[in-house]
Amino acid sequence: NAGVTQTPKFRILKIGQSMTLQCAQDMNHNYMYWYRQDPGMGLKLIYYSVGAGITDKGEVPNGYNVSRSTTEDFPLRLELAAPSQTSVYFCASSVVGDGYTFGSGTRLTVV
Amino acid sequence: DQQVKQNSPSLSVQEGRISILNCDYTNSMFDYFLWYKKYPAEGPTFLISISSIKDKNEDGRFTVFLNKSAKHLSLHIVPSQPGDSAVYFCAAGQHNNDMRFGAGTRLTVKP
Repeated sequence: NAGVTQTPKFRILKIGQSMTLQCAQDMNHNYMYWYRQDPGMGLKLIYYSVGAGITDKGEVPNGYNVSRSTTEDFPLRLELAAPSQTSVYFCASSVVGDGYTFGSGTRLTVV
Repeated sequence: DQQVKQNSPSLSVQEGRISILNCDYTNSMFDYFLWYKKYPAEGPTFLISISSIKDKNEDGRFTVFLNKSAKHLSLHIVPSQPGDSAVYFCAAGQHNNDMRFGAGTRLTVKP
């Protein structure tokens, strides 16, 4: 049982480039989330989804887009990468009333 | 606005003693609280939760206490073990979505 799988683990982007961070879960969880963690800070919610076809903004959605076409996948898109988006990104999933299961993270550097 | 605060960035305790990690929140609408543990290069792992209808929840060596009037919760680990050394995040929210995280407390348990 893989849980939550994030790819890639590391990526370096140039300013203005775009990329998609992939997230997949195999636990049939309805809820999925994207967080970013900056040094010395807690996790900030970017976007979340309560089910396929439904997404909502979190605390820090600017500069990102998401889609949820299936229960399993919740990709995060960066269209025009900026240095402020240098961070560690975590995807998570859950069912209502349970703790989240997190992926191992994607470390993104924008130069 | 930081709605969840962990004011101690680090804590060091001796093996076998009690570790007490603290967390404060500002939003009185929060009704669900969780603690996560994070090792380097891994995603956070769910540890224990408590809902606002309770003031205490135990799971083995881990106990979470909730003081709603003070908007404060704490995690007690007894007895502390070297393998407990990690960063601990407090999270709070409504209905287990849009959870807000604290900045984390790095616990070091010395043998």
